[in-house]
Amino acid sequence: DGGITQSPKYLFRKEGQNVTLSCEQNLNHDAMYWYRQDPGQGLRLIYYSQIVNDFQKGDIAEGYSVSREKKESFPLTVTSAQKNPTAFYLCASSPGGQDWAGELFFGEGSRLTVL
Amino acid sequence: AQSVAQPEDQVNVAEGNPLTVKCTYSVSGNPYLFWYVQYPNRGLQFLLKYITGDNLVKGSYGFEAEFNKSQTSFHLKKPSALVSDSALYFCAVRDRWAGKSTFGDGTTLTVKP
Repeated sequence: DGGITQSPKYLFRKEGQNVTLSCEQNLNHDAMYWYRQDPGQGLRLIYYSQIVNDFQKGDIAEGYSVSREKKESFPLTVTSAQKNPTAFYLCASSPGGQDWAGELFFGEGSRLTVL
Repeated sequence: AQSVAQPEDQVNVAEGNPLTVKCTYSVSGNPYLFWYVQYPNRGLQFLLKYITGDNLVKGSYGFEAEFNKSQTSFHLKKPSALVSDSALYFCAVRDRWAGKSTFGDGTTLTVKP
């Protein structure tokens, strides 16, 4: 079945370590997104990519990095510069980019806990 | 800039009663509006959307929403709530040229038997 796969689902890391969250989609979607979810704060956009080899910063990009070398993959690295990385991270995709009028398709999320 | 407000953190209703989850938005152009639902430790699932046309849109699981341009609102409704509707609901807006969606802070719906 087509969909978005995020891994790992749960991740524990020590403070100061970089960690990479995986997001893979087999929907042949052009655009991909990373959101961070904290209790009571909804979803905040970290980075998004509307086409391979291109990406833009979202509202809270500091301390994060991404790459988009393949259409189906959009990994997110949480660096040691991110002050409060413990959160639930959601990856999403959409068939179109800037002019897409429809909904986003979400993965099941990755919960990162920094000890 | 675009923004979404969900004024209620929590909505409680009895099973069988109608429910409403409120959403207001702000965009510079014509809005695309969405409702999503999230169950604990899961991703978001799409419920319904307004792009253009009829102001009343129907979606999954018996939910519907009414687009009101003058009040810049897009409230989610269901005529008869089920216990299984208990979840976290997000409203989202997308300006046509923004290239990205903005989400509200979410409303926790609790339906009691």
